[in-house]
Amino acid sequence: QSVLTQPPSVSGAPGQRVTISCTGSSSNIGAGYDVHWYKQLPGTAPKLLIYANNNRPSGVPDRFSGSKSGASASLAITGLQAEDEAEYYCHSYDSSLSGSDVFGTGTKVTVL
Amino acid sequence: QLVQSGAEARKAGESLRISCKGSGYNFGDYWIGWVRQMPGKGLEWMAFIYPGDSHTKYSPSFQGHVTVSVDKSINTAYLQWTSLKASDSAMYFCARQDSLGYRFFDPWGQGTLVTVSS
Repeated sequence: QSVLTQPPSVSGAPGQRVTISCTGSSSNIGAGYDVHWYKQLPGTAPKLLIYANNNRPSGVPDRFSGSKSGASASLAITGLQAEDEAEYYCHSYDSSLSGSDVFGTGTKVTVL
Repeated sequence: QLVQSGAEARKAGESLRISCKGSGYNFGDYWIGWVRQMPGKGLEWMAFIYPGDSHTKYSPSFQGHVTVSVDKSINTAYLQWTSLKASDSAMYFCARQDSLGYRFFDPWGQGTLVTVSS
């Protein structure tokens, strides 16, 4: 019952730029709550990629960047590389239903 | 880091408790969140617990079906079921959750695979 909507898949050739959208509503992203992004490789745990909308943890390449506007957020990957092929999830807080952390529906990035 | 207990196989109606042990930081200062991932599906937030005072918060989707607890003396959080259903078959992750306002999850445990047969 994800309340954050992402495109099921995006693809790009090596070196290209791809973006992943995360669309929410007035009770989550639109209310000003922070958005975080995670990368998940098959069979492994998710890994934090971007926190608080546009901040990279140490060790995350600057090819990854985040932004937020209104009730939506985006993750951009520039200079796409083979190791970027993975599932990506956004995450925020939703103040409805007594408040819950919510994840996006997930986006599979394919490197052509 | 967070290290979770190993894979479990149970029958429907049985009980189960899985664990998540933290190290390398002050365990009592951060929430521990639990996240479900059903086979081939996305991430679902289930609950969090604050080891400092054992305060808990559950997703409405999981309230009443699971219980989270903590033993601060051994830096370990738990997720338990009293009566499993086949639909509980999934990978379960624990993750340290920022409690200062940002709420992001980092780091994550390696996951515990739970298989429930009917």
